Amino acid sequence: AQSVTQLGSHVSVSEGALVLLRCNYSSSVPPYLFWYVQYPNQGLQLLLKYTSAATLVKGINGFEAEFKKSETSFHLTKPSAHMSDAAEYFCAVTRNSGGYQKVTFGTGTKLQVIP
Amino acid sequence: EAGVAQSPRYKIIEKRQSVAFWCNPISGHATLYWYQQILGQGPKLLIQFQNNGVVDDSQLPKDRFSAERLKGVDSTLKIQPAKLEDSAVYLCASNDGTDTQYFGPGTRLTVL
Repeated sequence: AQSVTQLGSHVSVSEGALVLLRCNYSSSVPPYLFWYVQYPNQGLQLLLKYTSAATLVKGINGFEAEFKKSETSFHLTKPSAHMSDAAEYFCAVTRNSGGYQKVTFGTGTKLQVIP
Repeated sequence: EAGVAQSPRYKIIEKRQSVAFWCNPISGHATLYWYQQILGQGPKLLIQFQNNGVVDDSQLPKDRFSAERLKGVDSTLKIQPAKLEDSAVYLCASNDGTDTQYFGPGTRLTVL
């Protein structure tokens, strides 16, 4: 079984401040982990992914995430928030099941950026 | 490269009516997924196809939901009859055998 927990359904930061969105995972096998972003009325867009290579993963739009096995975490960070970062962010874990990828999403964190 | 296409983008129906959604994945992508995203929740997998075969439909409410991908390309998801709790965004995604899914814009369904 696998699951992800995103702490905080809503996070507010000031423009220019650090963004930290938390994700903890549970997986019986080494996981692949993803962060997706969803803008209003749009589908999900891949931000970054961890697939057992480097533990610090850099993604698009200045975001990065660090895989910490000891903490079972994959928190998303960005040094300086921009107004355009306001969106909903989903952490996801995937595993190979019978040759196919099975993905489980977290409940999402809505990021508000205050000017 | 064209992305995943979905239609319609919005649909409003009354309960007990039927509705169908269409998805055209990225060309060459063998795997296709349908997700249900209820407001305030993450996407939940309804059904996964590999070419025209079903890989996983364990969370599909089969008494009212059905899906097909007859030629292994585009797919249709149907709800008959719809209930109020089916109000959600229905997302289609496709995959080329790697670890990344590509999502369409979704269809927002409102059941009154």
